[in-house]
Amino acid sequence: DQQVKQNSPSLSVQEGRISILNCDYTNSMFDYFLWYKKYPAEGPTFLISISSIKDKNEDGRFTVFLNKSAKHLSLHIVPSQPGDSAVYFCAASEYGTASKLTFGTGTRLQVTL
Amino acid sequence: DTGVSQDPRHKITKRGQNVTFRCDPISEHNRLYWYRQTLGQGPEFLTYFQNEAQLEKSRLLSDRFSAERPKGSFSTLEIQRTEQGDSAMYLCASSFGSSGGLSTDTQYFGPGTRLTVL
Repeated sequence: DQQVKQNSPSLSVQEGRISILNCDYTNSMFDYFLWYKKYPAEGPTFLISISSIKDKNEDGRFTVFLNKSAKHLSLHIVPSQPGDSAVYFCAASEYGTASKLTFGTGTRLQVTL
Repeated sequence: DTGVSQDPRHKITKRGQNVTFRCDPISEHNRLYWYRQTLGQGPEFLTYFQNEAQLEKSRLLSDRFSAERPKGSFSTLEIQRTEQGDSAMYLCASSFGSSGGLSTDTQYFGPGTRLTVL
């Protein structure tokens, strides 16, 4: 049972434009959400997180939006840069589980010149 | 570099052999996690330590797998009698978490150990 879903396996965006990566979850007990970026042959790198008490969190070019009623979150990258090309994973943790993360299957972002 | 480190980065072994991986977390982090990632999938939780205590194990962690964190610092993950299905990237992560199970600490990952079982 895939509790965290990233339905778009890949996304291509032009440099300077906005990248929007989406994530849906099914477990209503999830209360903390994170986005990680992963380059080949490296471990995931933390990007940004959001608690369920918020609906938006911003850090530089990265903004995460959370819609609890729809069980949906999205990551916006503005402006997109070629160095953003990587696989992006959405992850979630459930209250009381000491941050055991459940990951989606990832979205490969390619930022073209 | 004070990030999470893992050793070795790559391991090729024959089916039936035992392998051991090491993870050194960020020094002030009290929590340490092991995940496994296969091609096309996100990382899957295997086990978690708070200090030296192993507090949770996934059902993915068969009895051929054992993990330790003897002094609450580095951790080892051993796989006995490896099978081809064990081929994966094994990721370690660490975080600083307070007691009480609140799920708001951020995990920082190491580069992973890629295991290939022939």
